[in-house]
Amino acid sequence: KAGVTQTPRYLIKTRGQQVTLSCSPISGHRSVSWYQQTPGQGLQFLFEYFSETQRNKGNFPGRFSGRQFSNSRSEMNVSTLELGDSALYLCASSLGDLTGELFFGEGSRLTVL
Amino acid sequence: SQQGEEDPQALSIQEGENATMNCSYKTSINNLQWYRQNSGRGLVHLILIRSNEREKHSGRLRVTLDTSKKSSSLLITASRAADTASYFCARGLSGGSYIPTFGRGTSLIVHP
Repeated sequence: KAGVTQTPRYLIKTRGQQVTLSCSPISGHRSVSWYQQTPGQGLQFLFEYFSETQRNKGNFPGRFSGRQFSNSRSEMNVSTLELGDSALYLCASSLGDLTGELFFGEGSRLTVL
Repeated sequence: SQQGEEDPQALSIQEGENATMNCSYKTSINNLQWYRQNSGRGLVHLILIRSNEREKHSGRLRVTLDTSKKSSSLLITASRAADTASYFCARGLSGGSYIPTFGRGTSLIVHP
């Protein structure tokens, strides 16, 4: 079974630009979560989508948004990029039950200059 | 806000030694999970322990959970250089939350 695929793996943007990251979950998984990982803050939860609906949301500004398609693939978008948005963005998929076991992709490393 | 932290932040040991990492949390949980992350990569699930369990084993891993102290520990026995990674605990909160909440992790270095 193929794992979670994130694209692109690396990208460089400048302040003020916007970026879209993509995540393809494991086949059959309906829940997709996004996390931001930085050295100072650790892993912080952005949002979770289940069956195309945002089910949970973290404490991030409205510049961070996401969506999920009918095939469970998900995208997240960050508009008006700031230097502090430089991070590893991790996507995780799960069946979506209370067990909560997550299967992570390799991440998208965003650098904002 | 963070739902607890791993301790220590960093741990450096020799191959063959045991490594113990601790995780504390603040609110009630229905389970606690441990994950491993190799440098700059995604996280890999190691083990899940439910709130009604006290100890769980998986290979060289042993996890304990003390709900009265709101803490868990991960023991890696007979460490290998390949165990070098960051280890995170994630709390599955009770009350219907489906999202494990992570701490900042313990960075483990195992010297050959």
